[in-house]
Amino acid sequence: KAGVTQTPRYLIKTRGQQVTLSCSPISGHRSVSWYQQTPGQGLQFLFEYFSETQRNKGNFPGRFSGRQFSNSRSEMNVSTLELGDSALYLCASSLNSGRSYEQYFGPGTRLTVT
Amino acid sequence: AQSVAQPEDQVNVAEGNPLTVKCTYSVSGNPYLFWYVQYPNRGLQFLLKYITGDNLVKGSYGFEAEFNKSQTSFHLKKPSALVSDSALYFCAVIDQTGANNLFFGTGTRLTVIP
Repeated sequence: KAGVTQTPRYLIKTRGQQVTLSCSPISGHRSVSWYQQTPGQGLQFLFEYFSETQRNKGNFPGRFSGRQFSNSRSEMNVSTLELGDSALYLCASSLNSGRSYEQYFGPGTRLTVT
Repeated sequence: AQSVAQPEDQVNVAEGNPLTVKCTYSVSGNPYLFWYVQYPNRGLQFLLKYITGDNLVKGSYGFEAEFNKSQTSFHLKKPSALVSDSALYFCAVIDQTGANNLFFGTGTRLTVIP
């Protein structure tokens, strides 16, 4: 079974621009979560989507948003990029929503904001 | 509030020796605990989880972890380290709120010396 895929793998943007990242979960998985990984803050939860609905949201500004489609694929959007948004963005999928279901991570999208 | 501590930024061990990567947690109620490993330029790979039951949990690649409720610890162990085990290891917890977001420790870099 194919794993979680994320596109693009690398991205360079300029301050003030916006960016959209894509995540395709493992086939049959219905929950998709997004995390930001930086050297300073470590791994931080952004949000979770399940059945096209945002179930949970981390402590990030409204510039960070997401959505999930009927096929469970998810996109994350960051508007008005700031230098501090440079990070590895990881998507994770799980079979269902709930803490007993382990999350499987994609390889990430490395975003660099200049 | 939930928190996870990985007290060692770096652990070095000789190939063939047993390894331990430490993790302590603080949550309300019963914790769900996870270990993930990250190789360079890759996403996180799930190793094992503790939900309930036996305190000793066995996972992928020969790793195991021991849940100790009185010491609020969940240390990762392997009887015989391989050079290929060298990577960044993350402990994570989900609390009882039902939300699916993983709360990660800061990570421990394991180096296995040939």
